[in-house]
Amino acid sequence: DTGVSQDPRHKITKRGQNVTFRCDPISEHNRLYWYRQTLGQGPEFLTYFQNEAQLEKSRLLSDRFSAERPKGSFSTLEIQRTEQGDSAMYLCASSRTGDGYTFGSGTRLTVV
Amino acid sequence: DQQVKQNSPSLSVQEGRISILNCDYTNSMFDYFLWYKKYPAEGPTFLISISSIKDKNEDGRFTVFLNKSAKHLSLHIVPSQPGDSAVYFCAARKTSGSRLTFGEGTQLTVNP
Repeated sequence: DTGVSQDPRHKITKRGQNVTFRCDPISEHNRLYWYRQTLGQGPEFLTYFQNEAQLEKSRLLSDRFSAERPKGSFSTLEIQRTEQGDSAMYLCASSRTGDGYTFGSGTRLTVV
Repeated sequence: DQQVKQNSPSLSVQEGRISILNCDYTNSMFDYFLWYKKYPAEGPTFLISISSIKDKNEDGRFTVFLNKSAKHLSLHIVPSQPGDSAVYFCAARKTSGSRLTFGEGTQLTVNP
């Protein structure tokens, strides 16, 4: 098991385009989280899945953001009509309980 | 509303000395606290945690102290090593939920 895997590592997109990120959690972990981190700030919670059920969404997750976790395995985070303010590091994490997440290396999004 | 705050953006110490990183929180519902370490271009890595029923937890060179009455926790690293140079994030979790709330981070630099 190689840990939490995120793809792509970097994404540059033009404003107004749609982007999708993928996260593959540690296989035995039933919980999966998405966080966003901007420069000089700590990670901010976006959403959380237990198996395939999306149990919590942050107010940060506007209507342009959607996350899925079909079959309770990998997850995707889609951002529609990207804005410059969406530029950030998007982090995925997984756990078996609520303690001690394992984070992936993140996807760095730059909207130009 | 920054519920978890790390007031020192940076800290510089000499190799072999003690590093003390501080964190304050405002929400009395937080019952579990964690420290993460982050190297550039990597996701945060879990370091050590403490439950609100304890006031100290130790793991090798790392000790976390919790002062509930002051809503303050600290991470002590003794002795500090150059490889400890990284950004350290304090995080907290509420009793009822699984999301983590992070502080802004402290950049620790350990000089040889």
